[in-house]
Order: sequence, then C-alpha cells, then structure tokens
Amino acid sequence: NAGVTQTPKFQVLKTGQSMTLQCAQDMNHEYMSWYRQDPGMGLRLIHYSVGAGITDQGEVPNGYNVSRSTTEDFPLRLLSAAPSQTSVYFCASSPGLAGSYEQYFGPGTRLTVT
Amino acid sequence: GQSLEQPSEVTAVEGAIVQINCTYQTSGFYGLSWYQQHDGGAPTFLSYNALDGLEETGRFSSFLSRSDSYGYLLLQELQMKDSASYFCAGSLGNTDKLIFGTGTRLQVFP
Repeated sequence: NAGVTQTPKFQVLKTGQSMTLQCAQDMNHEYMSWYRQDPGMGLRLIHYSVGAGITDQGEVPNGYNVSRSTTEDFPLRLLSAAPSQTSVYFCASSPGLAGSYEQYFGPGTRLTVT
Repeated sequence: GQSLEQPSEVTAVEGAIVQINCTYQTSGFYGLSWYQQHDGGAPTFLSYNALDGLEETGRFSSFLSRSDSYGYLLLQELQMKDSASYFCAGSLGNTDKLIFGTGTRLQVFP
C-alpha cells in the first residue's frame, strides 16, 4: 500500500492564481481531511469528509473548496491564491470507525504564494 | 471556542524522562490523541486516550483526565531520535475530526 499520497510536493503560485492539491489514499478509509500548518505552529483543519459525497468545513475553510467523488480521492482547491495561504498542506485519512482514531498523514505539499 | 494549549519547548538529556502537558478548553472532546512530527516530516500517530487514565505503549505513555481538561504524554528512556515536535489533538464528539494543540518542541541533548 502506498498509504496517503499528495501531489505536488512543492508549488509556487502568484497571487490570484488557482490550483488543486491532490490527495489519494489506498486504504479504503472513509474519513479524509485537509490541514494547513504554518511555520512553528500546529495543524489547523480546513475541510473534512466522512465518506464519498459528504464534506464539511473545519476551522479555517475560507478560500478553499473540496469535493469527494470517490473514497480514494479528496482534492483541495485554492480558488484565488493569497500570500496568507503560504503554508504546508497535509492530507490525512482514517477508517472512520468508532474507536479507531489513528489518522495517517501524507507527506505534505509546500505552497508559496507570491 | 476550542483550544488545546501546550508548552512551546521542552529540553531533556538522553535517558531521562520528560512529560509534555496539554490543557484544553472546550466542550465535546471525546478523546485525546498524540502525534509526533520531525522537522520537514508529516505527523505520525503515537497514542490515543478514549477513557480517563494511563495508556502505555512501549517507551511512551499518555494520560487523560476529563474532569481536569488535562492530559500529558510521558516519554521514558529518551533517545536523540525523540527530538521532534509533539502535538495533542482532541477528537470532536465520537468522530475522527481532530483539533490540534499548539505543539511542543522537544530537544534531547547527549
């Protein structure tokens, strides 16, 4: 199993550009989520999904969209990039079963917005 | 609101024992998890407390007291490779939705 994969690893955008960060998992996990981590800080939840077709907002959803058309994929779209969105983005997945709370993280995407 | 506070930095020497505290102010936290993150890496799961009390996993133990809104991670027999950031995370309701703490950077010295 590849686990949780994210592409790209690095990305530089200009202010106003849009892009999609890709996330995929091959563990048949129901729960997937996106976090951002700013330098020296904790992870903040952007959006999450409890299964295909179901998404919801986390702590910092503004400026981001998500969709979940399949169990495996959970892309994050930046609508109009801003310098404040410069961060490291992590995707995570977990089985979503009661009592199994271990989340598996992807390697991250390092995004710089100029 | 929902927040989890941790000390920003802790230092210790190899072989020692260190405790990283996590206090939270929220309602609805169902359990407390701990994650380790090395510089430039992704967080990896260490432990989870669904119930009050101590959970032991090898050199790592984690404790939760809901009545005190408090938990801690205990690392024993510290090794250089334990130098990393450690995050507590609260599970909202009986779900996998996590809110992460501010993080503690642990530096282990020879």
